[in-house]
Amino acid sequence: KNQVEQSPQSLIILEGKNCTLQCNYTVSPFSNLRWYKQDTGRGPVSLTIMTFSENTKSNGRYTATLDADTKQSSLHITASQLSDSASYICVVSPSYSGGYQKVTFGTGTKLQVIP
Amino acid sequence: GAGVSQTPSNKVTEKGKYVELRCDPISGHTALYWYRQSLGQGPEFLIYFQGTGAADDSGLPNDRFFAVRPEGSVSTLKIQRTERGDSAVYLCASSFSSGGASNEQFFGPGTRLTVL
Repeated sequence: KNQVEQSPQSLIILEGKNCTLQCNYTVSPFSNLRWYKQDTGRGPVSLTIMTFSENTKSNGRYTATLDADTKQSSLHITASQLSDSASYICVVSPSYSGGYQKVTFGTGTKLQVIP
Repeated sequence: GAGVSQTPSNKVTEKGKYVELRCDPISGHTALYWYRQSLGQGPEFLIYFQGTGAADDSGLPNDRFFAVRPEGSVSTLKIQRTERGDSAVYLCASSFSSGGASNEQFFGPGTRLTVL
């Protein structure tokens, strides 16, 4: 069964500090992994996408890494801001075989940045 | 911008009532998805449309749930005889096509359904 597990479940950090969120998956065969940011009361918004051959990708203060061998990904947030407070969801897609590419969502990490 | 929109944003209903939730996808997106998200959880897949047809409805929890997309654009999720356990945020997403590494699902803001 395809699964995506995220840790920690929740995290509180001081504004300006860095943090790293983890995602482990068992989805196989693997196509791509996305990190989404979900603000309270809103739908998820994609931050990064990584395919099998990519090890790291940055989007501003967000840097995602991927180790396809160990099936692990991380999302590193640098110099956190209050607006980073949100849930971060890891989403993994299986290889596209011409049919429907059903994704698997993690349960998310709820990040709170405090002043 | 013309993102995915969902109406209503909030819906409070009584147990046993019928509700309809609407999703307007991004224009030109052929794929449309419905998800259900409970507090503190990731989205749970309900149903996927490719055009007008429901290509995968394996996530619908029971026959009280039904969804349509008659013209391949707007979709309606219908819940009959609502139960308190149906309370959740219902998210809709659309994408240009159903597969491919570059294919991104764009989410609407969701409809928060509360069944009293």
